[in-house]
Amino acid sequence: SSELTQDPAVSVALGQTVRITCQGDSLRSYYASWYQQKPGQAPILVIYVKNNRPSGIPDRFSGSNSGNTASLTIIGAQAEDEADYYCFSRDSSDTHWAFGGGTKLTVL
Amino acid sequence: QVQLVQSGAEVKRPGASVKVSCKASGYTFTRYYMHWVRQAPGQGLEWMGLINPSGNYTMYAQKLQGRVTMTRDTSTSTDYMELSSLGSEDTAVYYCARDNSNTVAGIMGWWLDPWGQGTLVTVAS
Repeated sequence: SSELTQDPAVSVALGQTVRITCQGDSLRSYYASWYQQKPGQAPILVIYVKNNRPSGIPDRFSGSNSGNTASLTIIGAQAEDEADYYCFSRDSSDTHWAFGGGTKLTVL
Repeated sequence: QVQLVQSGAEVKRPGASVKVSCKASGYTFTRYYMHWVRQAPGQGLEWMGLINPSGNYTMYAQKLQGRVTMTRDTSTSTDYMELSSLGSEDTAVYYCARDNSNTVAGIMGWWLDPWGQGTLVTVAS
């Protein structure tokens, strides 16, 4: 089981806004990073340390944190955003790292 | 450009061992930790462990303790992950990913970038 909890699946209408969340005790003390993975591909980083985007990631992707929850928001979701999304941070023991279970995003 | 290139797919018998390599280029290898992550078919990402920049310290996920060994060859900028006593549950794509970290407003965060292309390890009799 993962110590970072994500909803297994979320859907959003094309062009609308969607929030994907990640909950865990460690998130009260550390930032999460977020990864997008499409079928048959390696994950790619989309958000790191609070709300930073690597070059090449569209500005419709943003991150936020509140209490024990980290969130990835996509404003104006596009068809190409359909993918699995994973959060990553320190685990609750504060000695190892962990991924959330992943959220499958469907763009309708 | 910063790049991680992994070794090719492997097929192993149950009980055997596998060693996956990850060759880094485009950055100073000895300044960064490296993580290993795996993904079983149709499943999520699983953190396996990491190795420090000089290669003399490792940390492994508890469920893999005793079966996984991560090593580093600084002369060739290559990391290795060896997994022993393979079972069908070890069938997965294995990734290496470079560690990055920073502190903002007193809070630390880690991120993995870049990632290797992945190595499929199939355990079958």
